[in-house]
Amino acid sequence: DAGVIQSPRHEVTEMGQEVTLRCKPISGHNSLFWYRQTMMRGLELLIYFNNNVPIDDSGMPEDRFSAKMPNASFSTLKIQPSEPRDSAVYFCASSFVGGVQETQYFGPGTRLLVL
Amino acid sequence: KQEVTQIPAALSVPEGENLVLNCSFTDSAIYNLQWFRQDPGKGLTSLLLIQSSQREQTSGRLNASLDKSSGRSTLYIAASQPGDSATYLCAVRPWDYKLSFGAGTTVTVRA
Repeated sequence: DAGVIQSPRHEVTEMGQEVTLRCKPISGHNSLFWYRQTMMRGLELLIYFNNNVPIDDSGMPEDRFSAKMPNASFSTLKIQPSEPRDSAVYFCASSFVGGVQETQYFGPGTRLLVL
Repeated sequence: KQEVTQIPAALSVPEGENLVLNCSFTDSAIYNLQWFRQDPGKGLTSLLLIQSSQREQTSGRLNASLDKSSGRSTLYIAASQPGDSATYLCAVRPWDYKLSFGAGTTVTVRA
């Protein structure tokens, strides 16, 4: 398996623009997580999907953030409109919740810079 | 709320020395604890996962212990190599799905 795939790897945009981040989880996993990593706040969970259904989005910072998982092999995280404080590395992770170990596997991340 | 602390924040050792990384957490009601490695500009790689019922896990030169009652885990890396230079993060999972991460320990192994 290729692991968790994220695109784009880098994104530079201007304040006010819409940003869409994409994730393909590991085949067979039933859970997907979006995280944000910054120097100030470390790794924060934004949203968790189980069987394509959003279970907990309490970590989504504002209404400007939205996430979807239309099927088991694809998820998006959208920021509209983007702001400079959204600059961070966004990680997608997947796991099989209900299995023996439930290890989370992380993608390489998308480095977002909002000017 | 679960608080996860990793001490020290940074560590520099000569090649060949054993590494000891510490992780402490405030709520002992955990489902598992996971150690990750993060290289600069890269994602996280899972190293070891310890279930709450286990005391330790080993993989090659890595050994992780868990003392749930005292809220502590230790990651040991034997005979360190320059390739071990990275940031190591500890993550605690309670009985729901939310991982709580420590801030990490950045390790430099000098050749």
